[in-house]
Order: sequence, then structure tokens, then C-alpha cells
Amino acid sequence: NAGVTQTPKFQVLKTGQSMTLQCAQDMNHEYMSWYRQDPGMGLRLIHYSVGAGITDQGEVPNGYNVSRSTTEDFPLRLLSAAPSQTSVYFCASSPVLGTGELFFGEGSRLTVL
Amino acid sequence: GNSVTQMEGPVTLSEEAFLTINCTYTATGYPSLFWYVQYPGEGLQLLLKATKADDKGSNKGFEATYRKETTSFHLEKGSVQVSDSAVYFCALSDPTGGGADGLTFGKGTHLIIQP
Repeated sequence: NAGVTQTPKFQVLKTGQSMTLQCAQDMNHEYMSWYRQDPGMGLRLIHYSVGAGITDQGEVPNGYNVSRSTTEDFPLRLLSAAPSQTSVYFCASSPVLGTGELFFGEGSRLTVL
Repeated sequence: GNSVTQMEGPVTLSEEAFLTINCTYTATGYPSLFWYVQYPGEGLQLLLKATKADDKGSNKGFEATYRKETTSFHLEKGSVQVSDSAVYFCALSDPTGGGADGLTFGKGTHLIIQP
């Protein structure tokens, strides 16, 4: 049971570098999303997708790009990393839109120096 | 807008103690309410949910009742174990709140259970 798989689990970047956080799910879920988790802030929605070819912005989208070419994959791209993007990133998926019942990956810890 | 307020902790209890983690919310519509749990080094998992007023969600000995009159969804467990040590997130889902799933999370409560 793979569920939601995120890679890498840990990454250190220098300011200005770019990278992609990968997310894949094998449950055929239409809805996928990316959150960031910061101390004292809870989880904040970055981007989400309601199906292949459809993406939209969440609460904190600046500095991030997403695409959804397949149902399974939903990568998150940092175009020019900044120290403010140091965080733990979670990918989540859901089989039914609007239920609030999410399946989360194990997270990717990103440090930007 | 929607918001969820919960104690941040850490909350430290002895094994077999009674647990209450308070959660109150503000919502414009008629939200569903959730508790998610995050064990060390893992992603969040859905613990329980309630979709309408007076509903009680329960799982793994935890329970919470949706109280519309007090806008609350407090998490309780009668006898906690060391394995319950985790961060607990209260959340609401209001389709009118945006983001497709309309989920709004609280900041999380770190629970530490000592043997």
C-alpha cells in the first residue's frame, strides 16, 4: 500500500536555486494538494488540483509552481528558492472533492540557506 | 472568514490520564469538523470527523462532539497511552471557504504522554 509518496524527504538548497518536490499517489484520487507546515502556523494550502490538467492557487502560492499532467502525479516547483520557503511540505490527496478527508504523504523537509 | 483555534501546548500528561484538547471554530457556512493526528516523522492522518451538529466522531478511543451552540469540537480520551504522543490538528471543511476542499487547520496541539 504505497498511498501518497513524496520525494525527497530532505533537501538543502541555496538561495536562488530551483528544485521540484515530487508527489505521486496510486489511489486514483482526483483531488491533490500541497501544504506547507511551519511552527506555530499549522498547515497552509499552497496549490491544489481537482483533476488532470486543472490547478489553482491556495492561500500561499507565491514562489511555487504546479502542474498536473496525470492523475497520479502532482509536482511542486520552487523557481528561485528563498529562506522564507524553509518548511516541511506535505502532499495530500482525496477521492471525493469537498469532504475534507485527506490522505497525506510523509512530508519533505526543505531548508533554504 | 473561517478560523480554527486550539491550544498549542505542549500538553504533558501521565499515562492513563484523561485527555481534553479544546477546539473552537468560526465559519460562515455549515462546516464539517475533523481531528487529524501527526505521529513523529509522519504525515497527518484523519482521526475522526463529524459532519453536522450534535454528531459524535470516534476512533481509537478518542471522541469529539460537534457543538454548534458553542462552536466547539473538543477532543477527549478517557485513558491516554504513551503511543498517543503526537501533534493533533483540529480542522473544518467549508466548501464556501475556498481551496476546493475548504479545509482550514488549527495550529496543532503537541501532546506528550509520560510513562
